[in-house]
Amino acid sequence: DVKVTQSSRYLVKRTGEKVFLECVQDMDHENMFWYRQDPGLGLRLIYFSYDVKMKEKGDIPEGYSVSREKKERFSLILESASTNQTSMYLCASIGPTAYNEQFFGPGTRLTVL
Amino acid sequence: AQSVTQLDSQVPVFEEAPVELRCNYSSSVSVYLFWYVQYPNQGLQLLLKYLSGSTLVKGINGFEAEFNKSQTSFHLRKPSVHISDTAEYFCAAVYNQGGKLIFGQGTELSVKP
Repeated sequence: DVKVTQSSRYLVKRTGEKVFLECVQDMDHENMFWYRQDPGLGLRLIYFSYDVKMKEKGDIPEGYSVSREKKERFSLILESASTNQTSMYLCASIGPTAYNEQFFGPGTRLTVL
Repeated sequence: AQSVTQLDSQVPVFEEAPVELRCNYSSSVSVYLFWYVQYPNQGLQLLLKYLSGSTLVKGINGFEAEFNKSQTSFHLRKPSVHISDTAEYFCAAVYNQGGKLIFGQGTELSVKP
């Protein structure tokens, strides 16, 4: 089974802190994604990556950056956390064809105080 | 712009009753469609997917969905629900080879005894 793991299930940070959310997948997938999930808005794509050191902006990249130094790891960075970034963050990975299913991690619920 | 719309934000239903969760997508020459389920405090899990071929797609846990090109719909159905089906359900579409999923807003299915 594909495993996508995220470093924390719950995280509480203060406004202005730098926050790192880590995601690791074990299936050698090229494509990885970061979403945030908010009630009534579904999942919205923040950033995605097709390969090591490659990244592309999704629909809501403002206030976020990403890093992909190794194929299995995709990090989401909040340079200066704000209260409106309180949300559930989900990481996903997918194989080489568009119709493969995306495999999701369990999510990180981030609260910014 | 491509979009996915889930027509009901909440669907309450009694146990053993049938249920239909509605999803419409914006029309395109090529589209792949998915239904995901999210149980409380978990990541997303694939229920079923439509890639091509038969318009009736069967998934896990007794769910099925019908692809209707003329109505641009992909409604999810189950003839008899269980308490354990209580979860949030997401309809999603892929429109290109990049694998980027576009999600609907989600439907909360609440099954009552």
